[in-house]
Amino acid sequence: DAKTTQPPSMDCAEGRAANLPCNHSTISGNEYVYWYRQIHSQGPQYIIHGLKNNETNEMASLIITEDRKSSTLILPHATLRDTAVYYCIVRGYMDSNYQLIWGAGTKLIIKP
Amino acid sequence: EPEVTQTPSHQVTQMGQEVILRCVPISNHLYFYWYRQILGQKVEFLVSFYNNEISEKSEIFDDQFSVERPDGSNFTLKIRSTKLEDSAMYFCAGRSGTGAGNTIYFGEGSWLTVV
Repeated sequence: DAKTTQPPSMDCAEGRAANLPCNHSTISGNEYVYWYRQIHSQGPQYIIHGLKNNETNEMASLIITEDRKSSTLILPHATLRDTAVYYCIVRGYMDSNYQLIWGAGTKLIIKP
Repeated sequence: EPEVTQTPSHQVTQMGQEVILRCVPISNHLYFYWYRQILGQKVEFLVSFYNNEISEKSEIFDDQFSVERPDGSNFTLKIRSTKLEDSAMYFCAGRSGTGAGNTIYFGEGSWLTVV
């Protein structure tokens, strides 16, 4: 079973920051937090991942709380093309061959 | 940016027929996966493959399924005798190194429709 809890859906206005929360209260010290998204049944697209520190790349920022029990993915200036299902996944050595265990994700709808 | 490529993008097959889905992983990838997603459902792990052998498989990956990497580049998933419930999107994925910090990258998927 997935180790994360995400809201099933969220809306965000185009041009605004989209903040997607994720709870992972049972995360262990060597488990990473990964974010992927899936646009309309296309292949899952990697966004970002982190272990303890906050991370930023050209797509997004990942903010991980100090206790690591939750995190937030931030899309700084959402566009209509960011409409997708966003998956927060905890991944570590306990997952056979570091496979990804998928939950239901958050359906993010960007509105004009 | 290197990509995982999959063929065919869509295949329709009759129940009982054999299907082979093909994947060309990113060149420096060493670990390979197949996942599937039935329409409207979660992405599910099928199998992982490393060093020319299966390293892990799920309950879904029964005797009807097989994988191989015959020529060191293409990675294939074969379904020996398709069933209606095999209709799904199949994703190939790979990663280059060991450890949970090593990202898994996915292809665009192959839609399989069994009629």
